[in-house]
Amino acid sequence: EVQLVESGGGLVQPGGSLRLSCAASGFTFSGHWMSWLRQAPGKGLEWVANIKEDGSEKYYVDSVKGRFTISRDNAKNSLYLQMNSLRAEDTALYYCVRVGLTGTTWDFWGQGTLVTVSS
Amino acid sequence: DIQMTQSPSSLSASVGDRIIITCRASQSISSSLNWYQQKPGKAPNLLIYAAFSLQSGVPSRFSGGGSGTDFTLTISSLQPEDFATYYCQQSYRVPGTFGQGTKVEVK
Repeated sequence: EVQLVESGGGLVQPGGSLRLSCAASGFTFSGHWMSWLRQAPGKGLEWVANIKEDGSEKYYVDSVKGRFTISRDNAKNSLYLQMNSLRAEDTALYYCVRVGLTGTTWDFWGQGTLVTVSS
Repeated sequence: DIQMTQSPSSLSASVGDRIIITCRASQSISSSLNWYQQKPGKAPNLLIYAAFSLQSGVPSRFSGGGSGTDFTLTISSLQPEDFATYYCQQSYRVPGTFGQGTKVEVK
């Protein structure tokens, strides 16, 4: 059974940092691109970042470029999101999501970890 | 970025009803369109990919159609567990953008 379990969310002041983690199990983690997506409270879904199977390619939504860094450790079946210079508009539930093998779907989602940026 | 617009934003329906949700892209996206279902307090779940292909385990009462800029999600006979919010998402170009969602509520 595919499982994605996020952790690391919490309350942080504007300008602060957080590191999100995602523990993956039930599939060959190193065989999939992985993504972070987010959902602000009561709002829709937004893609944040992608990382290739071996970590050699990374892509970000414009609003987080230069502030967020996606990474992975295939030996630990883990995905990470380092978030720096956090802003109020980054407040959201952050999902760890597996990219399907066709590369065009997000086919398994974790339950999310909540990040709140507030003073 | 490609903009995705869903209609309606919400609808009220009864168990057994046939409902159709539409999704329009701001440019042609061929058949690169996915549909997700999200229940309150839960993560989204992939229902349909590539416009009309049913994800494994998804009931056959769900179907998708369309190509180019106009797409539909149809639920042939609404079941109690189908009351949720539905999102379309284009996978034609990065970033993969979502529609604003359609909330299906009990009439």
